[in-house]
Amino acid sequence: GAVVSQHPSWVICKSGTSVKIECRSLDFQATTMFWYRQFPKQSLMLMATSNEGSKATYEQGVEKDKFLINHASLTLSTLTVTSAHPEDSSFYICSAHRGSPYEQYFGPGTRLTVT
Amino acid sequence: GENVEQHPSTLSVQEGDSAVIKCTYSDSASNYFPWYKQELGKGPQLIIDIRSNVGEKKDQRIAVTLNKTAKHFSLHITETQPEDSAVYFCAATIYNFNKFYFGSGTKLNVKP
Repeated sequence: GAVVSQHPSWVICKSGTSVKIECRSLDFQATTMFWYRQFPKQSLMLMATSNEGSKATYEQGVEKDKFLINHASLTLSTLTVTSAHPEDSSFYICSAHRGSPYEQYFGPGTRLTVT
Repeated sequence: GENVEQHPSTLSVQEGDSAVIKCTYSDSASNYFPWYKQELGKGPQLIIDIRSNVGEKKDQRIAVTLNKTAKHFSLHITETQPEDSAVYFCAATIYNFNKFYFGSGTKLNVKP
């Protein structure tokens, strides 16, 4: 159990376009999901906390108008990168809490390349 | 906020040897410490965790120790195998706070 999926696994888009990444908890309900960004050979950087039915909480320095997060249901959160630029190219990973606050399970990640 | 430091950044061992990765944290309120394994192009996978009311936890070849006084915790892998090669991250968090603070990662290479 405790499977988190992401779609797509990789995406290439042109500069100026928007791209949506989905994060789903497949076998459990997650009131809280998290979005991370990871640059090559670096650690995970928390971008925002996504709560079902309410607005996301963004970390300092993360542009909320650029990285739109919607947590529409207990099993789905989406991250939309708007007006993408090459510097937005990165590995985006989501995670979801199951049950106790301790249990956090990660998705497989989405590789975004902006050309 | 919490600051988690992880050492070493890279670790190379011979198959069958043991590997130890160490992390320190700054916030004494942190009370949950998970370890994640990340293979290339994949998301992190939880391999073992420990709560602050426990000093040591073991799961087959993997163990984690916690020293609350010194604010450090370590991952121990015994009888390493080539499939253990990956990047390992430690993390710290406070109960009911949800936010995980990650270490910088350790790239483990197990040579056959």
